[in-house]
Amino acid sequence: SQKIEQNSEALNIQEGKTATLTCNYTNYSPAYLQWYRQDPGRGPVFLLLIRENEKEKRKERLKVTFDTTLKQSLFHITASQPADSATYLCALEDTGRRALTFGSGTRLQVQP
Amino acid sequence: DGGITQSPKYLFRKEGQNVTLSCEQNLNHDAMYWYRQDPGQGLRLIYYSQIVNDFQKGDIAEGYSVSREKKESFPLTVTSAQKNPTAFYLCASSRGGQGTDTQYFGPGTRLTVL
Repeated sequence: SQKIEQNSEALNIQEGKTATLTCNYTNYSPAYLQWYRQDPGRGPVFLLLIRENEKEKRKERLKVTFDTTLKQSLFHITASQPADSATYLCALEDTGRRALTFGSGTRLQVQP
Repeated sequence: DGGITQSPKYLFRKEGQNVTLSCEQNLNHDAMYWYRQDPGQGLRLIYYSQIVNDFQKGDIAEGYSVSREKKESFPLTVTSAQKNPTAFYLCASSRGGQGTDTQYFGPGTRLTVL
């Protein structure tokens, strides 16, 4: 069956360090992968989309990589700040239907 | 101001009652979605609609119903058949349903069954 896995344990890092979050998937052949940020009690907000032919995508302090051989995407936040504390979700298009399937998310906590 | 709105923000319901959650968008998006999120969990797809007057079941459609009579509106009814309806409900929309289409989410409705 199709599965998207993100580390369910919270990631705690010090301000200024680089945070790296992982998204692994099985039984998908996605052409695209998306990352969203969700703050407590609010709806997710889109951050980045990466295509299968793009190994890396950057936006300000954010960087996403996409390895279709490993079936993995890494999401990096450089020079992290306490304001980056949130839950980060990856999402893939479900090939059987025109809708996204979301991972369960990883909570990031940046300590000042 | 373009966006997607949900109402109410908090909703309380007695067991055995149906309740309808509102979702409206003025982004001119064709596709709309309903998700359920339980504490510490990810988003689970309830229903989605790619076009007006058409919708499909998601992964957890049992006990829920939807309608899509207008492009901008996609209300969700939580029926008494839903065994555990207490959750955070999120509505989203996208230009279409393709993998490149990003989803825009509403602020959510927190439903509590008393």
